[in-house]
Amino acid sequence: DAGVIQSPRHEVTEMGQEVTLRCKPISGHDYLFWYRQTMMRGLELLIYFNNNVPIDDSGMPEDRFSAKMPNASFSTLKIQPSEPRDSAVYFCASSSAGVGNTIYFGEGSWLTVV
Amino acid sequence: EDQVTQSPEALRLQEGESSSLNCSYTVSGLRGLFWYRQDPGKGPEFLFTLYSAGEEKEKERLKATLTKKESFLHITAPKPEDSATYLCAVQAYGNQFYFGTGTSLTVIP
Repeated sequence: DAGVIQSPRHEVTEMGQEVTLRCKPISGHDYLFWYRQTMMRGLELLIYFNNNVPIDDSGMPEDRFSAKMPNASFSTLKIQPSEPRDSAVYFCASSSAGVGNTIYFGEGSWLTVV
Repeated sequence: EDQVTQSPEALRLQEGESSSLNCSYTVSGLRGLFWYRQDPGKGPEFLFTLYSAGEEKEKERLKATLTKKESFLHITAPKPEDSATYLCAVQAYGNQFYFGTGTSLTVIP
């Protein structure tokens, strides 16, 4: 099993530019999560999908953030326009349906906005 | 309000010095409590899931326990390679996962 695959691993961009982060969940998993991790706030849930449908996006900080899941094997998180305070590690995670099922994380996308 | 609190924030141990990490939680309808290990520059790596009070899980030098209010991760005779940040998460109804801010463990040779 290849695990959750994220790209890019590292990105440095200038303020105002569009950033697109990509995720391939584990095959067969019904749930996909996007998290953001910072030293100050730890892991924050941004949005999660079930069967490609967004279920809860209350964690998305602003309208500058958007996420899509066009099919079961691909999701994107887009920031447009990016700002320095968006600098963080963005994790994608996936899990199968069921009570108490574990979520598995990717290696993260390290975003720096200068 | 659902929340997860981990303590201590940081812990330094000598190699072989056993200790425990704490995760206290308040959540409506606990579906599972999870422990993860995170190494620098990596994503959280799953360790254990506990489902009900009284349950225990073990893996090498780690043992996780669960009560109705908290969970402990016991580390017995730790080695330097156990140095990492340990994260606790609870799953509530609606498939929401709430993470604590973690305990950074350093084991000194």
